[in-house]
Amino acid sequence: GAVVSQHPSRVICKSGTSVKIECRSLDFQATTMFWYRQFPKQSLMLMATSNEGSKATYEQGVEKDKFLINHASLTLSTLTVTSAHPEDSSFYICSAARGTGANVLTFGAGSRLTVL
Amino acid sequence: DAKTTQPPSMDCAEGRAANLPCNHSTISGNEYVYWYRQIHSQGPQYIIHGLKNNETNEMASLIITEDRKSSTLILPHATLRDTAVYYCIVRVGRNRDDKIIFGKGTRLHILP
Repeated sequence: GAVVSQHPSRVICKSGTSVKIECRSLDFQATTMFWYRQFPKQSLMLMATSNEGSKATYEQGVEKDKFLINHASLTLSTLTVTSAHPEDSSFYICSAARGTGANVLTFGAGSRLTVL
Repeated sequence: DAKTTQPPSMDCAEGRAANLPCNHSTISGNEYVYWYRQIHSQGPQYIIHGLKNNETNEMASLIITEDRKSSTLILPHATLRDTAVYYCIVRVGRNRDDKIIFGKGTRLHILP
């Protein structure tokens, strides 16, 4: 089946630094990937839609200059949290559609960011 | 906003069938019903999806009412590993860029 890989699975950084999270589709090409954020005991919140070769589409309230998304190839999208602060600590999850049938989305295992 | 309504939590005894309801009264004719689950600290896992007909796979069965305004996910023989948050989602799904908006889901506790 379709596999989406995220790296790193856990990252701890100091306040003010930037952190990059990678999302890869391992056995299929993904022209579109989605980035979600999840705070403890809450549901997943869609942050942005990442499109290969073009600018990402951000959901209302998500700062595009804070959360930089790059989708440079059909198998890789990256999310960079710039100038991270403790309130950015969260579980970040990406997903992609394989494109068969009803376009089932496959999710990565998630990346837990802790900003000190 | 999510287009579905689910009970916040449910309990089910191990070995019994778990029946998780979902209301999607505003579903459009071209929208599918998808079910995902999220085990603690992991990414969501796809379970099953359907449009009009009932569906079954190795994980679960999906029963969709004739008017498509509600559905039920059935885990036939629940195990402790089925403890998770279950999300019912409606989505067109025709295009790869059709996004998924998550509601609050149902937290299913499987009791030993």
